[in-house]
Amino acid sequence: GQNIDQPTEMTATEGAIVQINCTYQTSGFNGLFWYQQHAGEAPTFLSYNVLDGLEEKGRFSSFLSRSKGYSYLLLKELQMKDSASYLCAAVDSNYQLIWGAGTKLIIKP
Amino acid sequence: GAVVSQHPSWVICKSGTSVKIECRSLDFQATTMFWYRQFPKQSLMLMATSNEGSKATYEQGVEKDKFLINHASLTLSTLTVTSAHPEDSSFYICSAVSGESSYNEQFFGPGTRLTVL
Repeated sequence: GQNIDQPTEMTATEGAIVQINCTYQTSGFNGLFWYQQHAGEAPTFLSYNVLDGLEEKGRFSSFLSRSKGYSYLLLKELQMKDSASYLCAAVDSNYQLIWGAGTKLIIKP
Repeated sequence: GAVVSQHPSWVICKSGTSVKIECRSLDFQATTMFWYRQFPKQSLMLMATSNEGSKATYEQGVEKDKFLINHASLTLSTLTVTSAHPEDSSFYICSAVSGESSYNEQFFGPGTRLTVL
């Protein structure tokens, strides 16, 4: 079956760095998305990786290892507004998104 | 970036009534739109894929006669929850892509919170 695993909840301190991991098992693979979702709101796009390696975009970076079925989202210089759920979604061979359950990130002062 | 709107943003209705939710792509033509529902503290669950001019493709376990989807134009898709019941209370979110696959970046609407009394 197809499966996406990510931690349910993480806590970090304002100004620190946090890494949210995501492992996936899909029938075929055509890339991986990370979305941010604040409570009561729709998701917003953060990143898309299809090649191995790290892609940096401001305070957020996303990493992919296709051979390991693994990705992470790295958030630097954490701000209180970064408190949200972070959703990992992999694209399978049919170009359908397989969504993880999301990681709730709690930022403490 | 591309903008997707939903209307209404929230709705409260009595059990047994039908509710229509609109999803519009405001500045691009969306060949494909997706409808999701999300229960508290859970991830998005894809309900159906809506393609302009054709019948929607429903995910397993989603009742097509209960959740009617109409993609009448390249900028509008509607989801009608027929004979709504309290268990249908949820956050309904649509997304749109300009291509024909969810492989392309999905632009999400703000969501519609449905409460059925």
